[in-house]
Amino acid sequence: DVKVTQSSRYLVKRTGEKVFLECVQDMDHENMFWYRQDPGLGLRLIYFSYDVKMKEKGDIPEGYSVSREKKERFSLILESASTNQTSMYLCASGAPRRQGATEAFFGQGTRLTVV
Amino acid sequence: KNQVEQSPQSLIILEGKNCTLQCNYTVSPFSNLRWYKQDTGRGPVSLTIMTFSENTKSNGRYTATLDADTKQSSLHITASQLSDSASYICVVSLLSGGYNKLIFGAGTRLAVHP
Repeated sequence: DVKVTQSSRYLVKRTGEKVFLECVQDMDHENMFWYRQDPGLGLRLIYFSYDVKMKEKGDIPEGYSVSREKKERFSLILESASTNQTSMYLCASGAPRRQGATEAFFGQGTRLTVV
Repeated sequence: KNQVEQSPQSLIILEGKNCTLQCNYTVSPFSNLRWYKQDTGRGPVSLTIMTFSENTKSNGRYTATLDADTKQSSLHITASQLSDSASYICVVSLLSGGYNKLIFGAGTRLAVHP
């Protein structure tokens, strides 16, 4: 059974704190993604990685960074949390890059509140 | 611009009734289309995936259709159950720079009442 695990379900942080969101997948997938989900906006891609130590900016990378030191782990970092980063964060992993192989498996999500 | 639009935004139906959710997209080059179900507070889970050549695909009480000419898809739920209450997200995949890029719709929030 496929599994994408996010380290926290709920997180409350103060403005200016450095925040780490961790994601681990056990499917040996090359591709991993971080999204944020806000009401009425759908999922928006923050960063993705298609290999160890590789990263690509998504649609809304500002205020975020990522780290992929191991294939199974993809971390999202908020360098200095701000209230507008309060959101649901979803990690996903996907099958190797080739045409047609596009199944994405999601973690359970981390609801981050910045106060 | 690559976009996925879903309608309605929200829907309330009675248990046992059928319903149809709509998805229109302007994504090119198209790779495939998926419907996901997202329970409150959970990550999305895939229901169906359809490629360009597929018109219909079923998964239990869920049936998805795809019209690649009009760039429209629908998700039909038959004999709804309380557990069908969730958000349903249409996701279209396109090929971009050798990678599949996912374009998400905002979702339809379905509430099934007894």
